[in-house]
Amino acid sequence: GAVVSQHPSRVICKSGTSVKIECRSLDFQATTMFWYRQFPKKSLMLMATSNEGSKATYEQGVEKDKFLINHASLTLSTLTVTSAHPEDSSFYICSARETDDSPLHFGNGTRLTVT
Amino acid sequence: LAKTTQPISMDSYEGQEVNITCSHNNIATNDYITWYQQFPSQGPRFIIQGYKTKVTNEVASLFIPADRKSSTLSLPRVSLSDTAVYYCLVGGAGANNLFFGTGTRLTVIP
Repeated sequence: GAVVSQHPSRVICKSGTSVKIECRSLDFQATTMFWYRQFPKKSLMLMATSNEGSKATYEQGVEKDKFLINHASLTLSTLTVTSAHPEDSSFYICSARETDDSPLHFGNGTRLTVT
Repeated sequence: LAKTTQPISMDSYEGQEVNITCSHNNIATNDYITWYQQFPSQGPRFIIQGYKTKVTNEVASLFIPADRKSSTLSLPRVSLSDTAVYYCLVGGAGANNLFFGTGTRLTVIP
């Protein structure tokens, strides 16, 4: 149980375009979803937290107009990287939590490459 | 916000027991301790979670002393496939500020 599906797993886009990443909890309802970013050989960096039906809470230094997060339902959150630039190239990972005291369950990540 | 500190890397031979310790000196009363495993280009995978004393499941044990300022993940008889980065994460029920530390890169040697 507790499967989180993330799509796409890999995307290459041109500079200036936007990319949407989907995160779905397949067998549970997730009241809270988290978006992380990871650079090679580095740890995960929390970007934002989203609760269903409300605005996402962004961490310091993360541009909310650049990284648009929508948590439209209890099983789906999306991250849209707008006007992507090469420095946005990274590994983006979502996670979901079923209840307040349950552990995070992670998707398999999305490798974004901006050319 | 409980910051965590772990060794950057560890090496172990196949078949040995591996213990990875995480320090979290300012852990709060309602914080849980959770350990994750991450392989390259994959999302982290949940291993075990505990609050105090000892927790055991089919893949690992988690030891937490009475003061809860540290925790130790114990992996029995590691194999090559256990080579990965292991993270401890400390956070309270309902907390949204779930920050990862540096993690420990475990390399299992044949």
